Amino acid sequence: GQQLNQSPQSMFIQEGEDVSMNCTSSSIFNTWLWYKQDPGEGPVLLIALYKAGELTSNGRLTAQFGITRKDSFLNISASIPSDVGIYFCAGQPVGNMLTFGGGTRLMVKP
Amino acid sequence: GAGVSQSPSNKVTEKGKDVELRCDPISGHTALYWYRQRLGQGLEFLIYFQGNSAPDKSGLPSDRFSAERTGESVSTLTIQRTQQEDSAVYLCASSARLRATETQYFGPGTRLLVL
Repeated sequence: GQQLNQSPQSMFIQEGEDVSMNCTSSSIFNTWLWYKQDPGEGPVLLIALYKAGELTSNGRLTAQFGITRKDSFLNISASIPSDVGIYFCAGQPVGNMLTFGGGTRLMVKP
Repeated sequence: GAGVSQSPSNKVTEKGKDVELRCDPISGHTALYWYRQRLGQGLEFLIYFQGNSAPDKSGLPSDRFSAERTGESVSTLTIQRTQQEDSAVYLCASSARLRATETQYFGPGTRLLVL
């Protein structure tokens, strides 16, 4: 099936740092979504993007739908401890179901 | 209002046994989805239901997997003759309609361990 390449797979953050992650696909997507999953819970939608070039913010989170429609990024500014978790991108190709990336695991630096 | 609920939250079974997982979607949501999430991996689409239409079973990994939905309510995912590679978290989601612009709301998942 469709594959989304999400990077990085994991990263350590220090409180106050900005964080960036991205997803790329070989196929064109109509929709890009970013979810966060906390341990023992299902994913929760953070940001939804529906138009190429769209830049959307949700608090300290900012996401963009790439103009080629094959990529998206998510930025988290001034990270806080509760940002820790797994972030998933998801895209929907034309007429098909959502495809999820492999996730980016955010952890706190010891 | 109530979100998507799933039961059981955890299930341990022996290889070869059948298991049944349950999903209660948000009331009024016509679309229901099942996903599988292996440890440290992303979500893998299994099947979706939309109203009374025939379900899209294109993601089911083998004929040991099947799912049913009664109208626009409860759904059950059945895995027959479980194998160790079936161990994963099984997530259910629902949305108001089957459209890309409709948010999918996820349940907490059922953690299945096949010994």
